Amino acid sequence: SQTIHQWPATLVQPVGSPLSLECTVEGTSNPNLYWYRQAAGRGLQLLFYSVGIGQISSEVPQNLSASRPQDRQFILSSKKLLLSDSGFYLCAWSVRTAPPNYGYTFGSGTRLTVV
Amino acid sequence: DAKTTQPPSMDCAEGRAANLPCNHSTISGNEYVYWYRQIHSQGPQYIIHGLKNNETNEMASLIITEDRKSSTLILPHATLRDTAVYYCIVRVFQFYFGTGTSLTVIP
Repeated sequence: SQTIHQWPATLVQPVGSPLSLECTVEGTSNPNLYWYRQAAGRGLQLLFYSVGIGQISSEVPQNLSASRPQDRQFILSSKKLLLSDSGFYLCAWSVRTAPPNYGYTFGSGTRLTVV
Repeated sequence: DAKTTQPPSMDCAEGRAANLPCNHSTISGNEYVYWYRQIHSQGPQYIIHGLKNNETNEMASLIITEDRKSSTLILPHATLRDTAVYYCIVRVFQFYFGTGTSLTVIP
């Protein structure tokens, strides 16, 4: 069966420090991968998605970047964190050639607090 | 951008049916309606999806109007563990979440 792992579960980082969040998927090949962010009291915002190694699409301009160095690994990074980067970060995956009737599976999330 | 409209909050008595509405008046013919829920500080959980016909699974039922411009998620016997934010999503390619409906099940 397929599983998705995110770590760490919680993170407190000072302003200006770098960030690296990792997401890995097991039990499938060639998945589509996604990063979402949820600010306090708000809905989920799609940040990045990837349909293959090295292929990253950005949905919104921001202080963050994403990379996919391996087929089942998706990394969210920042060189210098801002206070506004605080939030709940979620990774998700779906089948690569998913037609519209295939859903996403989400990880358990990372709660980032920038202080 | 989200293409759905949901009430921001609803209450439901424990053991009663919870009916969560969603408007998606600009839905296209090949777009599916999905429902997810998010319990506090967890990742969203898939509930159900449909295209035209009503759907039922072990968690819920989905009723889609004939013109497909709105739908209703039905939790037949709400429990306290159903307290969560419920998201109605019209899927084009990516999932774009709105702010959802915060459902509170009251003992």
